[in-house]
Amino acid sequence: QSALTQPRSVSGSPGQSVTISCTGTSSDVGGYNYVSWYQQHPGKAPKFMIYDVSKRPSGVPDRFSGSKSGNTASLTISGLQADDEADYYCCSYAGSFTWVFGGGTKVTVL
Amino acid sequence: EVQLLESGGGLVQPGGSLRLSCAASGFTFSSNAMSWVRQTPGRGLVWVSVFSGGGGGTYYADSVKGRFTISRDNSKNTLWLHMSSLRAEDTAVYYCAKHLSGSWSFDSWGQGTLVTVSS
Repeated sequence: QSALTQPRSVSGSPGQSVTISCTGTSSDVGGYNYVSWYQQHPGKAPKFMIYDVSKRPSGVPDRFSGSKSGNTASLTISGLQADDEADYYCCSYAGSFTWVFGGGTKVTVL
Repeated sequence: EVQLLESGGGLVQPGGSLRLSCAASGFTFSSNAMSWVRQTPGRGLVWVSVFSGGGGGTYYADSVKGRFTISRDNSKNTLWLHMSSLRAEDTAVYYCAKHLSGSWSFDSWGQGTLVTVSS
């Protein structure tokens, strides 16, 4: 149950796009289409942003999109806004009713 | 509106026990799998345990297996996590999280309760 690998930080200017990668193995990210993404502002609970690799829950702007290739999933934030500054975590189902999260990526809006 | 309200956190000595509660409302509790996820201060999220919906089973992360027990009472819309043989590395904010039906993702989270294991 090793954590998925995410970059520690990414940054972009307002209006730009940023992409966060999430690398696992064939036992988690590569083996299932159950990758999800969560946004967390300081002192707050995580917020559900993307599920099943690329689906958006109602209320999440279409500026947020997800994808997967092999053992790596990605979250792209287009049209970056000040409120997008937060920590982002990926998560994958890892089989046998277990889940693994990434270490988190801090998104900074310059 | 889905609401998850955790309680029961606090300061406990190494080797001690603690029971966390999660009161749920706004959805059909019995139908959904429910998990506990923890977050060490300043660090990332770690899945701890799940109680699958519809009378299913219980599962644990290797780091807590044999020490933590997850349970639920569907008549009370409540989820629990009983933690024993606590270690310093169990210090974290513990979140209760609801699984999205038909997907292995967490669509609602509580506000968290802080557990500190220290002498």
